[in-house]
Amino acid sequence: KNEVEQSPQNLTAQEGEFITINCSYSVGISALHWLQQHPGGGIVSLFMLSSGKKKHGRLIATINIQEKHSSLHITASHPRDSAVYICAVPLSGGGADGLTFGKGTHLIIQP
Amino acid sequence: NAGVTQTPKFRVLKTGQSMTLLCAQDMNHEYMYWYRQDPGMGLRLIHYSVGEGTTAKGEVPDGYNVSRLKKQNFLLGLESAAPSQTSVYFCAIGRGGLGEQFFGPGTRLTVL
Repeated sequence: KNEVEQSPQNLTAQEGEFITINCSYSVGISALHWLQQHPGGGIVSLFMLSSGKKKHGRLIATINIQEKHSSLHITASHPRDSAVYICAVPLSGGGADGLTFGKGTHLIIQP
Repeated sequence: NAGVTQTPKFRVLKTGQSMTLLCAQDMNHEYMYWYRQDPGMGLRLIHYSVGEGTTAKGEVPDGYNVSRLKKQNFLLGLESAAPSQTSVYFCAIGRGGLGEQFFGPGTRLTVL
């Protein structure tokens, strides 16, 4: 079973700061997922990546398959970015049998 | 196009009662999943289905049963609810493998 570790668990920053959240996993994977959960509880998929780097607006996700490590970056952070960010990988590496999740990073961006 | 819906949104049960949670999708995805989310634990997979008529156990299946009689619906049953099943339950759908997953809004269940 894949194990996922995220850091930091909690992060408070000022508006405009560059944010980095880290994720490491134990077993080789087909793809890694970054998810966002807002205080209302809904979960939204931000990225799914299997190599290199992806960018959506101010969000950037990178993955290093050899080191089993991924990072999520937020540039020019804004209070609306405040949420829990969750890293997830396939339970058994392949992906069809569901995901296993990190415990999440609780991010607060202060104005 | 509602995506993934879950019924009910909230429920309070007494220990020993039974209930069924419904997940419905209109995206025609083969794979459906039930997860539970508990404070400090992260999301954990309960059961999943890779297609109509199929189900399989996840990480924490004890105390739950599931059925996938129609492709668009995935039901999660609690036959005899216990306080340890107090949680927020999320349904998700996907195409498996390299596909992203889409989550329902969640069901908050309290067992007294």
